[in-house]
Amino acid sequence: GDSVTQMEGPVTLSEEAFLTINCTYTATGYPSLFWYVQYPGEGLQLLLKATKADDKGSNKGFEATYRKETTSFHLEKGSVQVSDSAVYFCALDDNFGNEKLTFGTGTRLTIIP
Amino acid sequence: DAGVIQSPRHEVTEMGQEVTLRCKPISGHDYLFWYRQTMMRGLELLIYFNNNVPIDDSGMPEDRFSAKMPNASFSTLKIQPSEPRDSAVYFCASSPGSHTYEQYFGPGTRLTVT
Repeated sequence: GDSVTQMEGPVTLSEEAFLTINCTYTATGYPSLFWYVQYPGEGLQLLLKATKADDKGSNKGFEATYRKETTSFHLEKGSVQVSDSAVYFCALDDNFGNEKLTFGTGTRLTIIP
Repeated sequence: DAGVIQSPRHEVTEMGQEVTLRCKPISGHDYLFWYRQTMMRGLELLIYFNNNVPIDDSGMPEDRFSAKMPNASFSTLKIQPSEPRDSAVYFCASSPGSHTYEQYFGPGTRLTVT
């Protein structure tokens, strides 16, 4: 079945550091890929998405490129802020029409000033 | 739009009691999802509905859990009887479907069973 593997957390960085959170996936067919973010005490919200190979999703300074050859969708940001502290989830939709998402386990990110 | 609304936000109950969690999806969304989040197991999909019809309940842990969606604007998740291991944050999410793929999550209900 489909699966998403994220790098283990927690991740702690200093403000203005470069961020990479790795995500790889296993799926049949051609999935769509997502990054969701969960701020403390809140539900998940969509951060960015990519629906086909080589697409780049971007939002709020975050980027991720859909790499079919390496089955990866790594999240990057050039200069993190304290407000980026949250849990980040990589997810996929298998595009078979059932609208279900398969989530990774989440990576907790803490940014220290 | 107010977004997905869940109630209560916090629930503390004793083992053996019945618990009912409520969700109002975003108007016009055809899909509704119930998730459970714990530190040990992460985010788990319990059940989801399409146009008020349950499509996949394979994630419901056992018969103590049941979910209904009597109309397009309301869903409930019931646990009877509750057990301490049910303690978790329960999220409801809705989606417009039609391959838009984005799910909109509510703020969650934190359930504590003592």
